[in-house]
Amino acid sequence: GAGVSQTPSNKVTEKGKYVELRCDPISGHTALYWYRQSLGQGPEFLIYFQGTGAADDSGLPNDRFFAVRPEGSVSTLKIQRTERGDSAVYLCASSKNREAGASYNEQFFGPGTRLTVL
Amino acid sequence: GNSVTQMEGPVTLSEEAFLTINCTYTATGYPSLFWYVQYPGEGLQLLLKATKADDKGSNKGFEATYRKETTSFHLEKGSVQVSDSAVYFCALSDRSGGYQKVTFGTGTKLQVIP
Repeated sequence: GAGVSQTPSNKVTEKGKYVELRCDPISGHTALYWYRQSLGQGPEFLIYFQGTGAADDSGLPNDRFFAVRPEGSVSTLKIQRTERGDSAVYLCASSKNREAGASYNEQFFGPGTRLTVL
Repeated sequence: GNSVTQMEGPVTLSEEAFLTINCTYTATGYPSLFWYVQYPGEGLQLLLKATKADDKGSNKGFEATYRKETTSFHLEKGSVQVSDSAVYFCALSDRSGGYQKVTFGTGTKLQVIP
């Protein structure tokens, strides 16, 4: 299938380490979103890319979190000096550009990366 | 800011029972409203949506009506099946900034027993 893929599916790391989480969006989707889903909660918005640029990074919790999308396709979410509170499922979603007159462009979600910080 | 409040779970029903999961929202402007479903071991999937007041979204026997006057978008199904067991998320998005920033509720776990 040609859905959104995320790697790794699971990541266990130690407190203070650096991690990278990868997202491969659906081919041709220009918009890409990262969300974080803590246990028992709904996903929370982190950052939105339109093409290569981060159009809205207001959801990133602090400067330990950073994301890139250098060629406008694959995106990497980077977390420095991980803390136990960073443990969550990190979700990526992609969508097409909004068509003229359309009220909504569906976001297609990947299966997520479960990050555990020990 | 935007927020979504949905009934806490878990909700346990017998097969063929009637389902209602309540959802209310707070938003500026005129958001689009959604229900997403997360089946065990799978990613989030859009179940249904409504983009303006009085719209009814429907899919797989589920329905929800966008009620602007009560700021609600309750999910209903007349006869649930075991295969409907999943976590259901109510969500909204506004188009401020020209893109879809989705705000989710905390999710309601549904368990349907035979």
